[in-house]
Amino acid sequence: QVQLVQSGAEVKKPGASVKVSCKASGYTFTNNGITWVRQAPGQGLEWMAWISVSSGRTHYAQKVQGRVTMTTDTSTSTAYMELRSLRSDDTAVYYCAREVGAHIASFDYWGQGTLVTVSS
Amino acid sequence: DIQMTQSPSSLSASVGDRITITCRASQSISNYLNWYHQRPGKAPKLLIYAASSLQSGVPSRFSGSGSGTDFTLTISSLQPEDFATYYCQQSYITPWTFGQGTKVEIK
Repeated sequence: QVQLVQSGAEVKKPGASVKVSCKASGYTFTNNGITWVRQAPGQGLEWMAWISVSSGRTHYAQKVQGRVTMTTDTSTSTAYMELRSLRSDDTAVYYCAREVGAHIASFDYWGQGTLVTVSS
Repeated sequence: DIQMTQSPSSLSASVGDRITITCRASQSISNYLNWYHQRPGKAPKLLIYAASSLQSGVPSRFSGSGSGTDFTLTISSLQPEDFATYYCQQSYITPWTFGQGTKVEIK
C-alpha cells in the first residue's frame, strides 16, 4: 500500500534552517510528483511547493520562494523540503503528499505531518 | 494568484442531513478543482478530483459538481465520521491554492 512517512518534529530558532524528509513506499517513486502543504496552528492549508520526481522540475509559492528547496533521492524514494531563514510565522505542520493526475493534479496520499516550531 | 472562497465558513448539521458547500474561484479554472476533508489532528484526505470524480474508496454519499468559477460539494446523508473541515483546491495554475475551509460541526 502507498505510504508517505515523514521525519519527526523539529524546534528551531529564528534564522535557522530545517529539512523535513518524506519517505515513499508502495509505488514507483519516479511516476508521481510530490507536493508540500503546510498548516499553521488553527489555520487552513497553504500550498508551498511541488517537484516532479522524474525531471526535478519545481514550482514554489511566492511566499517561500528563495527560502525553500525541494529535492529527491530516488535511490531511497525520499523527498526533502528545506526551509531557510526561519521566522515565527513558519511555525506549522508540514505535509508532503503524492501528486496524481496526468492532466488535473490532485493529492491522493499524504504523510502524517511534521510539526516545525520556530521559537527563540 | 487564484483566490478560492468557500461558503459557509462553518455549519452545524445532524446525522442524516444533506449538506452543500460551495467554492468560488476568482477566475475560471475549468474543472481543475479538488475537494478534501480533514479531521482534527489528521492529514487531509482527497474526496473528489476534477470537480466531480469520486476518489477511489470514498463513499458515494459524496458528490461534486461545477465548472468555470462555481463548484459545490454535497454530502447526501451526513455520517458521524463526516464531521470535519472541508477544503477546495484549484490545480489550474500554480500556485495551487486552497479555500479557507468549511468546518462541519454536529448540531
